[in-house]
Amino acid sequence: AQKVTQAQTEISVVEKEDVTLDCVYETRDTTYYLFWYKQPPSGELVFLIRRNSFDEQNEISGRYSWNFQKSTSSFNFTITASQVVDSAVYFCALSETHRDDKIIFGKGTRLHILP
Amino acid sequence: GAGVSQSPSNKVTEKGKDVELRCDPISGHTALYWYRQSLGQGLEFLIYFQGNSAPDKSGLPSDRFSAERTGGSVSTLTIQRTQQEDSAVYLCASNSGLAGVIEQFFGPGTRLTVL
Repeated sequence: AQKVTQAQTEISVVEKEDVTLDCVYETRDTTYYLFWYKQPPSGELVFLIRRNSFDEQNEISGRYSWNFQKSTSSFNFTITASQVVDSAVYFCALSETHRDDKIIFGKGTRLHILP
Repeated sequence: GAGVSQSPSNKVTEKGKDVELRCDPISGHTALYWYRQSLGQGLEFLIYFQGNSAPDKSGLPSDRFSAERTGGSVSTLTIQRTQQEDSAVYLCASNSGLAGVIEQFFGPGTRLTVL
């Protein structure tokens, strides 16, 4: 069965600290996609990244970076030099290609960046 | 439109009443999804449309929930005889429906409160 686990329900860090959000997934498919979404207080989900299962290269986008490791079924997200505007709920998600692109979401990690 | 829109943004209703939630996908997007986000929870898949057809209704929590889509565009999610446990944010997403295009673009959601 497919499942996404975000063990950290809530994290607080002081501004400018680095923070890593963990994501562990389960799937029987060999082809799948992993996502991170940000949900700021306004409520709208903002797409951050998609990674397919054949591409284990880590990705960096500005202060954001993602570490995909198939060996441990993890897709962790790091924010470097955090800022108050990074405060949000972050969701990790999985899509198995045979399931019409339905996305399975984790329960989310609420991140508080303290000034 | 430029993005996915949903209406109303907020709905307060009394237990036992029926409600209709509307989603306008991005113009030209053939795939449309409904999710539910209960307080402090991740997103729960409800139903998926490809055009006007719903090949996957597996997520609808009970027969009080139904959805339709007409003209391959607007979708309506109907909840009959609402219960307090139906209180949640209902999110709609769309994508182009093209093979291999996985990203879903989310609307701002409808916050439903059942008193």
